[in-house]
Amino acid sequence: DAKTTQPPSMDCAEGRAANLPCNHSTISGNEYVYWYRQIHSQGPQYIIHGLKNNETNEMASLIITEDRKSSTLILPHATLRDTAVYYCITNAGNNRKLIWGLGTSLAVNP
Amino acid sequence: SQTIHQWPATLVQPVGSPLSLECTVEGTSNPNLYWYRQAAGRGLQLLFYSIGIDQISSEVPQNLSASRPQDRQFILSSKKLLLSDSGFYLCAWRWQYYGYTFGSGTRLTVV
Repeated sequence: DAKTTQPPSMDCAEGRAANLPCNHSTISGNEYVYWYRQIHSQGPQYIIHGLKNNETNEMASLIITEDRKSSTLILPHATLRDTAVYYCITNAGNNRKLIWGLGTSLAVNP
Repeated sequence: SQTIHQWPATLVQPVGSPLSLECTVEGTSNPNLYWYRQAAGRGLQLLFYSIGIDQISSEVPQNLSASRPQDRQFILSSKKLLLSDSGFYLCAWRWQYYGYTFGSGTRLTVV
């Protein structure tokens, strides 16, 4: 079973920020939080990862709570092309297996 | 730059027929390679992973097998397909300690 919990679906208006939450209350001290997304009929795409500190790259920002039990992926200015299923995964990095849940289906609306 | 190729994109096969899906990686050596399957409306399920030539680990006992005859080639096979083998098959390689890159996937329909 997946070790993370995400809402099954969310909507966001184009141009607005999309904030996708993830609960990982059983995360271990050496586990990272990864985010991937999967556009329909394509392979998942890596977005961002973090351990303790907040992270930002050209795609998104990752906010991790101080207790590390939850995180939020932020797409600052969502576009129609951001419509996808977003997966939050925790993994120790040296572990070969990622356990995937069902993710959050994000619909960006015009 | 590193790229991953997976083919074919779609495949329709009759029950009982054999299967061979191929995945190749370019621009890296000794990659960790993975085969995943995604059933409709489900998350990704790890089928096999490989840390090197002829080194295959199976995660789920089933009708499928994997082989790695060359460093950057990973093959998923079946001798006799079942209806339950239908799904979206994805090859991936781990490009860093943290990240995975996936191929474009093969949509397999067993009829």
